[in-house]
Amino acid sequence: EADIYQTPRYLVIGTGKKITLECSQTMGHDKMYWYQQDPGMELHLIHYSYGVNSTEKGDLSSESTVSRIRTEHFPLTLESARPSHTSQYLCASSDAGSGANVLTFGAGSRLTVL
Amino acid sequence: QKEVEQDPGPLSVPEGAIVSLNCTYSNSAFQYFMWYRQYSRKGPELLMYTYSSGNKEDGRFTAQVDKSSKYISLFIRDSQPSDSATYLCAMSQDSNYQLIWGAGTKLIIKP
Repeated sequence: EADIYQTPRYLVIGTGKKITLECSQTMGHDKMYWYQQDPGMELHLIHYSYGVNSTEKGDLSSESTVSRIRTEHFPLTLESARPSHTSQYLCASSDAGSGANVLTFGAGSRLTVL
Repeated sequence: QKEVEQDPGPLSVPEGAIVSLNCTYSNSAFQYFMWYRQYSRKGPELLMYTYSSGNKEDGRFTAQVDKSSKYISLFIRDSQPSDSATYLCAMSQDSNYQLIWGAGTKLIIKP
């Protein structure tokens, strides 16, 4: 049973629209992440947070923004969607005390921008 | 050159075969090595992880790390059609560093 929830699972939207991808976890994890995954490519980190009011950009340049107002909630927002934003977005969390930084992933949000 | 290299496959084997999945890496500072399994239209889930060198076994799965060769492997014994998925390797120096991912190997187990 998933302890990290992403909505929507699938979204088809027109260019220029604002979208928010929701991510919530019930494990009390301090660390949360957003990854972008394209077919045949490695996961690319676009944002991460180590706790409330902490957000950082990842390795992959992204036009999205995130917020972390509550421990359990880490939404990702695109102010103006473009076809280049079409991708699978994965949210994950981990226990800050874990030496191995083991991630628990949500099922993903597949975004298609027309 | 990518820090972590993984053959994308697909790798197709008959049911019951022993499967070997591999990743190579270039950063000798990596200490934690993980294998994730990802089914179609799902998020990755952790299979197992190892710290530093050596082997780790969990049921039909065995993870091996050879730090001298910068090479890690995941073996699956008595493979089942339900093992058909994409297998992702990931590694890091410690919890203060982000995971570096391989591109994943698609595995198909034929009944």
